[in-house]
Amino acid sequence: KQEVTQIPAALSVPEGENLVLNCSFTDSAIYNLQWFRQDPGKGLTSLLLIQSSQREQTSGRLNASLDKSSGRSTLYIAASQPGDSATYLCAVSDTAGGTSYGKLTFGQGTILTVHP
Amino acid sequence: KAGVTQTPRYLIKTRGQQVTLSCSPISGHRSVSWYQQTPGQGLQFLFEYFSETQRNKGNFPGRFSGRQFSNSRSEMNVSTLELGDSALYLCASSFSNRGYEQYFGPGTRLTVT
Repeated sequence: KQEVTQIPAALSVPEGENLVLNCSFTDSAIYNLQWFRQDPGKGLTSLLLIQSSQREQTSGRLNASLDKSSGRSTLYIAASQPGDSATYLCAVSDTAGGTSYGKLTFGQGTILTVHP
Repeated sequence: KAGVTQTPRYLIKTRGQQVTLSCSPISGHRSVSWYQQTPGQGLQFLFEYFSETQRNKGNFPGRFSGRQFSNSRSEMNVSTLELGDSALYLCASSFSNRGYEQYFGPGTRLTVT
């Protein structure tokens, strides 16, 4: 059974700091890994998708890396801003024994607070 | 392009009742997945539909069911509601069931009293 762990559970940083969020998964037979952010009481916003054959993906100030063999991914946020404050979730896609890849297994998330 | 829409956004029900939630995927997307989010358990997968067929199912009791229509819209139903069913129910759509990026709707907040 796939399990996803995110460290740290919460992080508070001053504006402008670069930061790293960590995600680990127990079963390396994943199809892809996706990072999301969630604002309080809202749905999830997709940030980055990394296919299992890729090592990293970049979007603006965000960079996500994937080391499938060691079961780890990191999300790097450069020059953090107060608007980055949210919960960041990591999710992996696998077949769960079937042939469909729509099932995502989520970590518990990292609550990020960026203060001015 | 319009995003994933879910209706209703908020719902209050009494124990023992049943409820139906609706999800309209992004135009052109044919895969719809449902998730339950609670403070204690986090996000848990309910089921996935593609081409009107359930392709994957999470570890939830049979009171939770769903279906997908020919236009890819999906509904989930919860019968005999329990207090523990109070949660945010999220729907996600994807182009297909082959590992494409998933896009989430705003969710339906269900409160069972």
